Amino acid sequence: DQQVKQNSPSLSVQEGRISILNCDYTNSMFDYFLWYKKYPAEGPTFLISISSIKDKNEDGRFTVFLNKSAKHLSLHIVPSQPGDSAVYFCAASVYNQGGKLIFGQGTELSVKP
Amino acid sequence: DVKVTQSSRYLVKRTGEKVFLECVQDMDHENMFWYRQDPGLGLRLIYFSYDVKMKEKGDIPEGYSVSREKKERFSLILESASTNQTSMYLCASSVPGQGAGTQYFGPGTRLLVL
Repeated sequence: DQQVKQNSPSLSVQEGRISILNCDYTNSMFDYFLWYKKYPAEGPTFLISISSIKDKNEDGRFTVFLNKSAKHLSLHIVPSQPGDSAVYFCAASVYNQGGKLIFGQGTELSVKP
Repeated sequence: DVKVTQSSRYLVKRTGEKVFLECVQDMDHENMFWYRQDPGLGLRLIYFSYDVKMKEKGDIPEGYSVSREKKERFSLILESASTNQTSMYLCASSVPGQGAGTQYFGPGTRLLVL
């Protein structure tokens, strides 16, 4: 039972264009969502997060959008850079469950020069 | 800066061996987690711990055990390694309630079981 799903295993984008990574979830109890970025042979690093009381959070080139009615979130990267090439994981949590995160399968982003 | 370190980056073991993976964090975090990462499956939680000597099963605990004798150290034990435990193992830590549990990860241990 995959509660957090990233249905696109890979995405290829041209440098300078927008990258949109998508994530769907099934558990309506989730109230906090996070995106992590992972390079090969390294651990994931936290990128950006959003609380369920918001529908958008922006940090520089990265923006996360949350559509609670559709149980869908997306990460927008604009403009995309070759250094953004990595695997991106979305994750979700329920606040009173002690920080346990449920991760999606990941989307591998390739930004071509 | 939060620092999470793992004892080995790469490990090769034989089937049936007992394997210890060590994780240490230096930020006095209460929560610690062990995941494995496999292609197409994302990160799956094996065990986690809210405090010293406390442990909770995650989604895939079978074949694993853990130990948390000190707050900064969380060990993952493969009692009798099998080939299906070949994977990337990731340790993480977090503070309860901070950013609803934003986790900080170590660099990972790539384990090959022959």
